[in-house]
Amino acid sequence: GDSVTQMEGPVTLSEEAFLTINCTYTATGYPSLFWYVQYPGEGLQLLLKATKADDKGSNKGFEATYRKETTSFHLEKGSVQVSDSAVYFCALSGLTGTASKLTFGTGTRLQVTL
Amino acid sequence: NAGVTQTPKFQVLKTGQSMTLQCAQDMNHEYMSWYRQDPGMGLRLIHYSVGAGITDQGEVPNGYNVSRSTTEDFPLRLLSAAPSQTSVYFCASKLTGGANTGELFFGEGSRLTVL
Repeated sequence: GDSVTQMEGPVTLSEEAFLTINCTYTATGYPSLFWYVQYPGEGLQLLLKATKADDKGSNKGFEATYRKETTSFHLEKGSVQVSDSAVYFCALSGLTGTASKLTFGTGTRLQVTL
Repeated sequence: NAGVTQTPKFQVLKTGQSMTLQCAQDMNHEYMSWYRQDPGMGLRLIHYSVGAGITDQGEVPNGYNVSRSTTEDFPLRLLSAAPSQTSVYFCASKLTGGANTGELFFGEGSRLTVL
């Protein structure tokens, strides 16, 4: 079945450091890929997505590129801020239409310090 | 601008008690779902629904019941709570069909403790 593997956390960085959170996936066909973010005490919200190979999703300075050859969708940000402290989830949707369900990774906690 | 609303936000139960977690959305989304979030496990799908009158099981359905009598509401019932059901529960919804972008909209979560 479909699965998503994320790097273990927590990740602790100083403000303005470069961020990479690794995500790889296993799926049949051509899934859509997502990054969701969960701030403390809140539900998840969509950060960015990519629907086909070589697509780059971007939002709020975060980027991720859909790499079919390496089955990866790594999240990057050039300069993190304290406000980026949150849990980040990689996810995939293996089917389209009403049958599509999201499969989530285990999440990576990011802590950014001054 | 309510989006997905879950109640209650916190609940403590004793083993064997029953309760219902409520979920309502005002975005006219056909698809609604329930996830549980546990440390080190990520989010796991409990049940989902693709429209009123239609429900199906997800990855971890045992011990939970759902119904979908209206498009707006999707309650999750625990008939006899067990300590293994201690978790944070999230309701999420999305559009389907041609307008489906795959994006799930989440509620703020319900933290359940079973003693």
